[in-house]
Amino acid sequence: EPEVTQTPSHQVTQMGQEVILRCVPISNHLYFYWYRQILGQKVEFLVSFYNNEISEKSEIFDDQFSVERPDGSNFTLKIRSTKLEDSAMYFCASRKGVAMNTEAFFGQGTRLTVV
Amino acid sequence: AQKVTQAQTEISVVEKEDVTLDCVYETRDTTYYLFWYKQPPSGELVFLIRRNSFDEQNEISGRYSWNFQKSTSSFNFTITASQVVDSAVYFCALSEAGNTDKLIFGTGTRLQVFP
Repeated sequence: EPEVTQTPSHQVTQMGQEVILRCVPISNHLYFYWYRQILGQKVEFLVSFYNNEISEKSEIFDDQFSVERPDGSNFTLKIRSTKLEDSAMYFCASRKGVAMNTEAFFGQGTRLTVV
Repeated sequence: AQKVTQAQTEISVVEKEDVTLDCVYETRDTTYYLFWYKQPPSGELVFLIRRNSFDEQNEISGRYSWNFQKSTSSFNFTITASQVVDSAVYFCALSEAGNTDKLIFGTGTRLQVFP
């Protein structure tokens, strides 16, 4: 069964460093998302990406964040200068079509720890 | 503004008991979609069900059943004859019809099923 794949599963980085979280969505999906979950809290929307551009972003997704789909298969989330409060589980999700007909499938997550 | 409330933070049951997880949502849209996701201890988010706002039929899938009531803005989830493997955090989520179909998650209910 096709699945969303995220790498790495766990990333430890020093405050101020740049990190890139990688995702390979399901191949025929058109809508891509990043969400994050601070430990023990709810899952929060960060950004959605469709037709090679950001379609919506949340207040969390400030100038330190960026997304790219560089080669038609990978979907990356970059954090330019990490802060302690960026420590969280980051989930990539993809959807084949609109929510009326399809659901979002999530990757297994990347746990980011900023020290 | 859209909002999902899961008032039950944690529920503990003994195996074979039935358990209902509550979900109340708020939205101004007339067209929206509701979801349940399961997050087992391994951390991934597993899709369980999607329900469209115009389809109020309840659904049963094996030991799982869902009760959607627009009149009370609720989308409750019942597990019949619970098993230890059902232990997880369960998230209810809302998506409004639109360009991005992003998910708004509730805070989750942690279900612990004891043998």
